[in-house]
Amino acid sequence: DARVTQTPRDKVTEMGQEVTMRCQPILGHNTVFWYRQTMMQGLELLAYFRNRAPLDDSGMPKDRFSAEMPDATLATLKIQPSEPRDSAVYFCASGLAGQGMHRSVGELFFGEGSRLTVL
Amino acid sequence: QKEVEQNSGPLSVPEGAIASLNCTYSDRGSQSFFWYRQYSGKSPELIMSIYSNGDKEDGRFTAQLNKASQYVSLLIRDSQPSDSATYLCAVNDYGQNFVFGPGTRLSVLP
Repeated sequence: DARVTQTPRDKVTEMGQEVTMRCQPILGHNTVFWYRQTMMQGLELLAYFRNRAPLDDSGMPKDRFSAEMPDATLATLKIQPSEPRDSAVYFCASGLAGQGMHRSVGELFFGEGSRLTVL
Repeated sequence: QKEVEQNSGPLSVPEGAIASLNCTYSDRGSQSFFWYRQYSGKSPELIMSIYSNGDKEDGRFTAQLNKASQYVSLLIRDSQPSDSATYLCAVNDYGQNFVFGPGTRLSVLP
């Protein structure tokens, strides 16, 4: 059963601490997205990767957030230092971008999310 | 800035009725359109995708696309209480990211 796996599922931390969230995309998918969801803002794109290369991270606060894909089976999102306003559910999603003319991603598969609470 | 707009709801319909959800988008270059369903506390899951103008039916769900009006809708026939969820419209163009709307909360009343 192919699925996107995220860890941790829940994280409570103190302001100023470092937080690392991990995502294992579906095997064979070449595009990975990080989203943040809050009641007020809905789903916000933070960053996305294609073939492990970062394509867009304009939605991410650069001073404290960083996203990487050290290999095809792992994507990470790091917050350092964390702040209470970072409290949200962070979703990772993966998909397969087409080759040739229609290069957009078809269906996105979401992980179950990492719920972050920064006190 | 690319935008996707939806009425936030809640949209309440009685069981067995047709629920109509609407979405507009700003980028005329958008090529792919999706409807995701998200139950409270869960992750979004795809229920429909549509790429061409017109209607696409899948069971009780029908997606409608009008690129000239930059409008996409989702109809749910014979609505069931289990359809109560937030419905997210998503738009994608060639090689670009997915932009999601804020979602419409649907409540189907028994």
